[in-house]
Amino acid sequence: GAVVSQHPSWVICKSGTSVKIECRSLDFQATTMFWYRQFPKQSLMLMATSNEGSKATYEQGVEKDKFLINHASLTLSTLTVTSAHPEDSSFYICSASDLDKLSYNEQFFGPGTRLTVL
Amino acid sequence: GQSLEQPSEVTAVEGAIVQINCTYQTSGFYGLSWYQQHDGGAPTFLSYNALDGLEETGRFSSFLSRSDSYGYLLLQELQMKDSASYFCAVRRSTGFQKLVFGTGTRLLVSP
Repeated sequence: GAVVSQHPSWVICKSGTSVKIECRSLDFQATTMFWYRQFPKQSLMLMATSNEGSKATYEQGVEKDKFLINHASLTLSTLTVTSAHPEDSSFYICSASDLDKLSYNEQFFGPGTRLTVL
Repeated sequence: GQSLEQPSEVTAVEGAIVQINCTYQTSGFYGLSWYQQHDGGAPTFLSYNALDGLEETGRFSSFLSRSDSYGYLLLQELQMKDSASYFCAVRRSTGFQKLVFGTGTRLLVSP
């Protein structure tokens, strides 16, 4: 149980285009999901907290108009990188907690999406 | 601000024991988690400490000292498959589901 999927697993796009990444909790409901980005050999940097039915909360320094987050249902959150540029190339990972479990200390991570902007 | 410091790299041989340290500075500390990540893969949960002391889960143990703002992950009976990056991550009392990750430690296990 507690599986999180992401789609696509990798994407290559031209500079100036927008890319949408989906994050789904497959066997549990997630009122809250998180989006991270990770550069090679670096740590995970939290970008935003995605709340079902409300606006996302962005971390300091993350452009909300650049990284659009929508949490349409209890099992789906999307991240859209708008007008992507080469510096947006990174590994984007989502995570969620299963609040129905007695222990919700664990976050379950998706497999990540590698974005390359040419 | 917040910071979590870890050694950048640790090397060990199969069968050995290795300790990965994490020192943190944060307000509203709630708990410390540890995650493992293989290259190109998703982080996977290893352990969590909210109270001082040692938590043991199979070959992995995690320790926390809140007064010292310090924790460590102990890996025993190392196997080649343990070669990965290990991250400590802080949960805070506000927005407590959020995780702030440490700098990460790359563990290389050799035969």
